[in-house]
Amino acid sequence: DAKTTQPNSMESNEEEPVHLPCNHSTISGTDYIHWYRQLPSQGPEYVIHGLTSNVNNRMASLAIAEDRKSSTLILHRATLRDAAVYYCILRDRPSGGGADGLTFGKGTHLIIQP
Amino acid sequence: KAGVTQTPRYLIKTRGQQVTLSCSPISGHRSVSWYQQTPGQGLQFLFEYFSETQRNKGNFPGRFSGRQFSNSRSEMNVSTLELGDSALYLCASSRSTGAYTEAFFGQGTRLTVV
Repeated sequence: DAKTTQPNSMESNEEEPVHLPCNHSTISGTDYIHWYRQLPSQGPEYVIHGLTSNVNNRMASLAIAEDRKSSTLILHRATLRDAAVYYCILRDRPSGGGADGLTFGKGTHLIIQP
Repeated sequence: KAGVTQTPRYLIKTRGQQVTLSCSPISGHRSVSWYQQTPGQGLQFLFEYFSETQRNKGNFPGRFSGRQFSNSRSEMNVSTLELGDSALYLCASSRSTGAYTEAFFGQGTRLTVV
């Protein structure tokens, strides 16, 4: 899977929007962009994913650059519960079918200040 | 709808022993993946099962094995335990195996090897 680059940490204030960037300059045409987060002492949690178009769901929005070499996860109004490590992951389908496992990098540690 | 259930939650084993961990996926999900999380290496993919067949495998030694049953429940086995196998083992279930599929993680089994 192609690699992603994320800032080690970011800080934001409660009730403000948060924009978490991810660079993936070697993305292939068939790579899906996935975001997961991991709260302390819990397993990772799916947030959102997309291929080419921007995506919205109840948790967040995903903005994908036109050339797909970067993307941004947007939390519209951060709460203390959003403090977690956020992982940006590219996922492709291997030639044998199925899907490769998720390749987690170090992610971005998001700190929310009250 | 019940989430992914992993048992046991905590386990202490002695070096050289073997261990079996269990994962019950979300009802209707046919894909189960296993991950190892350590402070040094982060989250690493072990293997994925779909319809009782191992579809993909990460870069782990043969001491790590798994299987999936007809009801989609999965077990992971580690033989000849080493101190370095101490980790949080996470199971994730998905409806299918495509690169577009979201994964739902359990709380994990914390294995300590002494």
